Amino acid sequence: SQQGEEDPQALSIQEGENATMNCSYKTSINNLQWYRQNSGRGLVHLILIRSNEREKHSGRLRVTLDTSKKSSSLLITASRAADTASYFCATGVIYGGSQGNLIFGKGTKLSVKP
Amino acid sequence: EPEVTQTPSHQVTQMGQEVILRCVPISNHLYFYWYRQILGQKVEFLVSFYNNEISEKSEIFDDQFSVERPDGSNFTLKIRSTKLEDSAMYFCASVRGREGETQYFGPGTRLLVL
Repeated sequence: SQQGEEDPQALSIQEGENATMNCSYKTSINNLQWYRQNSGRGLVHLILIRSNEREKHSGRLRVTLDTSKKSSSLLITASRAADTASYFCATGVIYGGSQGNLIFGKGTKLSVKP
Repeated sequence: EPEVTQTPSHQVTQMGQEVILRCVPISNHLYFYWYRQILGQKVEFLVSFYNNEISEKSEIFDDQFSVERPDGSNFTLKIRSTKLEDSAMYFCASVRGREGETQYFGPGTRLLVL
């Protein structure tokens, strides 16, 4: 599989339920970032977790990182219809002290039904 | 809140024509990136730019592509002779510059090559 593979590819839930998306990667990273993309629109940054962090929260979002398993998860609690979007993880590597490019996964398409 | 802006939002061109996509990164950011996303596929890195020169480029970024920062604010991607397969959403991103910083993405330019 490629760097930054999310699963599931698609997830459909009812409003109010929690949504969990997973991301696996292959190489060593410095950070992992999660983005949201509404259909045909831009990428909205959600959260960044560094390789020395294990868990991070932002509002209804909770991200975990397990560098030993090279995996991360994004949990959205109490989902809303407005959370309907594609969610991507992107791994970042630092080269010589400067931020390198991000490698994106294929994304999880989340559908939250009202 | 400062944001990355991109123009135009949509561009339709004929195969073989030159196109220039424009980006205005966040003003105090130092690292700039171009990514593309072919419809239905994942976001792919094209090129990164720092201190007025290319830092890294992917194999997608061949001789048909060039980047420039013509003044203190704009960051441009030029495709010299467009091909059908260049049709994609092109995203610009910027980073302030410290290690592990978030990459902020613009809303994208949707390029259609006919």
